[in-house]
Amino acid sequence: QKEVEQNSGPLSVPEGAIASLNCTYSDRVSQSFFWYRQYSGKSPELIMSIYSNGDKEDGRFTAQLNKASQYVSLLIRDSQPSDSATYLCAVISTAAGNKLTFGGGTRVLVKP
Amino acid sequence: EAGVAQSPRYKIIEKRQSVAFWCNPISGHATLYWYQQILGQGPKLLIQFQNNGVVDDSQLPKDRFSAERLKGVDSTLKIQPAKLEDSAVYLCASSDAPGPGADNSPLHFGNGTRLTVT
Repeated sequence: QKEVEQNSGPLSVPEGAIASLNCTYSDRVSQSFFWYRQYSGKSPELIMSIYSNGDKEDGRFTAQLNKASQYVSLLIRDSQPSDSATYLCAVISTAAGNKLTFGGGTRVLVKP
Repeated sequence: EAGVAQSPRYKIIEKRQSVAFWCNPISGHATLYWYQQILGQGPKLLIQFQNNGVVDDSQLPKDRFSAERLKGVDSTLKIQPAKLEDSAVYLCASSDAPGPGADNSPLHFGNGTRLTVT
């Protein structure tokens, strides 16, 4: 079982719709959760971090965390073509030596 | 603020050859990371430095990979000899926090070096 799992996609959404991305993790004691965006040929950039159960909103992005079910999700509202990228879920577990472990990423395509 | 600088941008070598990558982190950032990102996968941590000391190199293939950060600033990652499966993008990242989890101290990634081993 992979430590951090994501559907590779592509997730195709029409412009203006909501894109919903999911991520599951295997280590129950994971404490910190991040979403990175990576445009093709570019480096990852942090867009959201979340540490406690519930929702966290930042502009058009909402991160949702459910530690009991071991999943974290990212919602992108009013999707724009510029949101087309690969979204990487990353998790830190102190039990794993405080290492930032990335999932394989979900590719999102927003069609005008 | 200048970003994380990496060079070269691209490198093509034959298997069994040697290669070195260079990284200059953001000024003042004590923590430096090297990640390997194989096409279609997420980045995988190879080594983490805190100043010039190694914090974590548990996933570094030490029979062929080496890294140093002698003066606690810039860093070099070397592969000797290279294998076909080393083809990947090598990302350097830095942070002013001692670990990767601080909310106000995210990892800043460089543009990476794309290595192709033929």
